Order: sequence, then C-alpha cells, then structure tokens
Amino acid sequence: GQNIDQPTEMTATEGAIVQINCTYQTSGFNGLFWYQQHAGEAPTFLSYNVLDGLEEKGRFSSFLSRSKGYSYLLLKELQMKDSASYLCAVRDSNYQLIWGAGTKLIIKP
Amino acid sequence: NAGVTQTPKFQVLKTGQSMTLQCAQDMNHEYMSWYRQDPGMGLRLIHYSVGAGITDQGEVPNGYNVSRSTTEDFPLRLLSAAPSQTSVYFCASSWTGGSGANVLTFGAGSRLTVL
Repeated sequence: GQNIDQPTEMTATEGAIVQINCTYQTSGFNGLFWYQQHAGEAPTFLSYNVLDGLEEKGRFSSFLSRSKGYSYLLLKELQMKDSASYLCAVRDSNYQLIWGAGTKLIIKP
Repeated sequence: NAGVTQTPKFQVLKTGQSMTLQCAQDMNHEYMSWYRQDPGMGLRLIHYSVGAGITDQGEVPNGYNVSRSTTEDFPLRLLSAAPSQTSVYFCASSWTGGSGANVLTFGAGSRLTVL
C-alpha cells in the first residue's frame, strides 16, 4: 500500500532551526509537497520538489531524495507564528495526492 | 479575488439527515476536489472533478455524492448522515496538466458534527 510517514509532534525554541522529516512509499512519484496548516485553518502551500536536491524559499527549505523516498522541511530562525502542523504529500503515478498525517510543531519562547 | 469559498463553516446534523456543502472557486481551475480531515489521519480524498460534467471517486466516496455542472461550483451532498461522517471537510482546486506543480488552493473548511 501507499504510505507517508512523518513525526506526530516536534518542539523547538524560538530563533532556532528545526527539520521535519517525511518518508514515503508510493506507487510512482510525480512530486512532493509541503503544506502548512494553522489550527482551525486551511492548509496553505509551502514548497514543491520534483527533482532531487534542495529548494530554498526564505526561512524555509525543502529537500528531496527520490532514491531514498525521503524529504525534509527545514525551518530557520523560528518564530512563534511558525507553530502549526506541517503536511507532507506525494503525488503518485495516477497524479493523486497521498497525504501524511502531519507534524504538529510547537514553538517555545 | 475570493479563491475557494466554502459554506457553511459549521453544521450540526442528526443521524439520517441530508445536507449539501457548497464550494465555489473563481480562479477558473479545472480540477476541484473534496477532502475530509480526521484527527491523526492524513487528508482523505472523497470525490474529485477534472472539469464540468466529469466527476470521479476518491479514497472514501461512500455516503457522499457530487456533481459539477459548472467550472466554478462543486457541491458535496451527504445523503443520510452518519456519526462516522463527523469531520472537517475541505474543498480544494487547482490547474491541471503541464509539468508544473498544480498547487491545490483550499477553502476555509466546514466542520460537520453528526449526532
């Protein structure tokens, strides 16, 4: 079956760096997405990786290794507003999105 | 530019009642979809559409119906509500085709409780 694994919860300190990992086993691969979801709100798009390597967008970076079925989201200079759930999703060979359960990130002052 | 608009935001139903969740987008997206989000689980696809007049089932379609008579609207109907359908529902839309990311834009969500 298809599976996306990410840690359930992580805690980090304001101003620090945190890495959220995502491993996947899917039928084919047509891109990996990271979304941010604040409590009670809709998911919003953060990043997209389709080729191996690092994509950087300001304080956020996302890495992909297709051979290892692995991605991570790196958040630098953490701010309190980064407290949210981070969802990893993979688009499979049928162009359907398979979603992980999300990682709840708690930022402490 | 409103994006994806969902109504209602909150709804309480009794078992056996029917209702429709409304979804409209103003971005001329071909692809529209309905997801449900339950604690401890990833988003699960209920139904989707790749254009007006075309709909298909997702991972968890039982108990739900959809139609797509226009590009803009994609309502989700619960035929006879059950407590297992208590969830948060999201409508999402995107472009299709090409080699781009075709990022999903989500509505604000509809929290449904079935008693």
